Amino acid sequence: RKEVEQDPGPFNVPEGATVAFNCTYSNSASQSFFWYRQDCRKEPKLLMSVYSSGNEDGRFTAQLNRASQYISLLIRDSKLSDSATYLCVVNMNYGGSQGNLIFGKGTKLSVKP
Amino acid sequence: EPEVTQTPSHQVTQMGQEVILRCVPISNHLYFYWYRQILGQKVEFLVSFYNNEISEKSEIFDDQFSVERPDGSNFTLKIRSTKLEDSAMYFCASNPTEMNTEAFFGQGTRLTVV
Repeated sequence: RKEVEQDPGPFNVPEGATVAFNCTYSNSASQSFFWYRQDCRKEPKLLMSVYSSGNEDGRFTAQLNRASQYISLLIRDSKLSDSATYLCVVNMNYGGSQGNLIFGKGTKLSVKP
Repeated sequence: EPEVTQTPSHQVTQMGQEVILRCVPISNHLYFYWYRQILGQKVEFLVSFYNNEISEKSEIFDDQFSVERPDGSNFTLKIRSTKLEDSAMYFCASNPTEMNTEAFFGQGTRLTVV
């Protein structure tokens, strides 16, 4: 059973499009949620944390539904520079755990001119 | 801006050889991690390290692997006898406190076992 599942992608969209990524996680004890971005052959970089109330950072909006164990990321007005793989990440961070990050496989986004 | 640095950026080694991957975490961080990413696959947790000892490890982190913080700055991952399937990108990460769970990743070491 996969712990974090994402849309397989790839998503090919024109500049200016709105694109949405979805993610589900299997462990209801998960405590923290993130979207990371990974460029080809580079390290993951934090894009944004995801809070229960939903949060927005410029063109990016993240939502969390704990009841459905579902996380989403919306990118508005996509730019060429948004082309990357988007990783859904959860953190257990409970009890004695140091809270290792559990990654989804990622969804590749390609924004075309 | 402080960053996690890893050396070397690329390591080629023969099967059966020992390899040591090095990391310098951000200086005031307390929690250190190793992750790996096999080409085309997801990032996988290997081990976390706090207060000079392993705090958690995954099933991947078997007896062939070990970690050490030999001095105040370096954090190393040793693979004792490399196998072909150890070929992957290895990422070191650190974060300052347990509750601040944003992890800062190094740029990775690409390990190729031939």
